[in-house]
Amino acid sequence: DAMVIQNPRYQVTQFGKPVTLSCSQTLNHNVMYWYQQKSSQAPKLLFHYYDKDFNNEADTPDNFQSRRPNTSFCFLDIRSPGLGDAAMYLCATSRDGGQPREKLFFGSGTQLSVL
Amino acid sequence: ILNVEQSPQSLHVQEGDSTNFTCSFPSSNFYALHWYRWETAKSPEALFVMTLNGDEKKKGRISATLNTKEGYSYLYIKGSQPEDSATYLCAFWVSSGSARQLTFGSGTQLTVLP
Repeated sequence: DAMVIQNPRYQVTQFGKPVTLSCSQTLNHNVMYWYQQKSSQAPKLLFHYYDKDFNNEADTPDNFQSRRPNTSFCFLDIRSPGLGDAAMYLCATSRDGGQPREKLFFGSGTQLSVL
Repeated sequence: ILNVEQSPQSLHVQEGDSTNFTCSFPSSNFYALHWYRWETAKSPEALFVMTLNGDEKKKGRISATLNTKEGYSYLYIKGSQPEDSATYLCAFWVSSGSARQLTFGSGTQLTVLP
């Protein structure tokens, strides 16, 4: 019954080797978000899509890119992972976006390790 | 820089104990405060969305209060059970220019010992 699905649960990559994390949703929500959470820190918003409209946070490194080919799927591409990119990556959705009362629906995250 | 602070960072309680923890946020330009529960290996799930000063929300043994004037929210768990073990995240809704988003705290990790 998972509504926001992230694959894989654990991902190991090598320093500098491109990696893609995936997220899919069955909620038909307009907005999809990618958060990065490093150990014991707050989840940090990297970017979000409002439908096809991409919104990048000002401090998101250029190394991070995203694609949303359709409503259901969203991908996070890390072009050249560094050791500092090891983290939990959370995907989330919201129905309309931009509304304070609107709660987020999360996937269970992908834990990325960089060797 | 917008800071959402949660305390304590972690705590351990015995089964049956009641507990509470705090989320502090800027007291100006308040729109909403969210609480999420994140159990290990699962997805974070929304507990409460609070928008009005003085709001009190309750879900089973868990309740939350909100003080927007002084910028804090408390989460209470009555009679803690091992299944309450999780990280509890609060998030403050920010609306600034074209940016509208939730800014999260780093969470309180609760362990309930049987």
